[in-house]
Amino acid sequence: GQQVMQIPQYQHVQEGEDFTTYCNSSTTLSNIQWYKQRPGGHPVFLIQLVKSGEVKKQKRLTFQFGEAKKNSSLHITATQTTDVGTYFCATQGGSEKLVFGKGTKLTVNP
Amino acid sequence: GAVVSQHPSRVICKSGTSVKIECRSLDFQATTMFWYRQFPKQSLMLMATSNEGSKATYEQGVEKDKFLINHASLTLSTLTVTSAHPEDSSFYICSAPGGGYNQPQHFGDGTRLSIL
Repeated sequence: GQQVMQIPQYQHVQEGEDFTTYCNSSTTLSNIQWYKQRPGGHPVFLIQLVKSGEVKKQKRLTFQFGEAKKNSSLHITATQTTDVGTYFCATQGGSEKLVFGKGTKLTVNP
Repeated sequence: GAVVSQHPSRVICKSGTSVKIECRSLDFQATTMFWYRQFPKQSLMLMATSNEGSKATYEQGVEKDKFLINHASLTLSTLTVTSAHPEDSSFYICSAPGGGYNQPQHFGDGTRLSIL
């Protein structure tokens, strides 16, 4: 089945520094969804990318989908303590069910 | 927006007990729901797809007799962990699709199950 590899597993930054997490697949992805899970919480949908080369922004968050639709990234500019949590990429492999990456846990030092 | 309600949020019980977890779509109908399990510091692993009016589809390695799934109506799916043991302790989360392919999933708040 379809798999997505996500790196890094952990990222620790000082408040104000940037953060990026990457998601890669060996096969072409139909879409990429990004979720954020706060400690003790459930995943919350952030965004979906469908088109080749697509770039979407949400305030300090920038999401990209590669030209070949095999990779994606989430970049946070000037992190804040409210950004802490685990960020997951996920893809739908031809059905409605989601396949999640392993996630990147972000911690931010105030 | 679409809301999925999951209950209970936390269960602590003795080994051998069966535990039922409910997942409800509050303002939309869900012919399909998904059940995930998440161990500490790990990602969400899909356990099964719950289908209204038919049998659930289980992922490889998930025991269907251990994790009973019932999709009683278009707004309710239940997961029963039968004869739970300490190794079943985990965070169980349900989700419902937002209405077709290429739509985000709406997740319940999750159930933290601790088996003593």
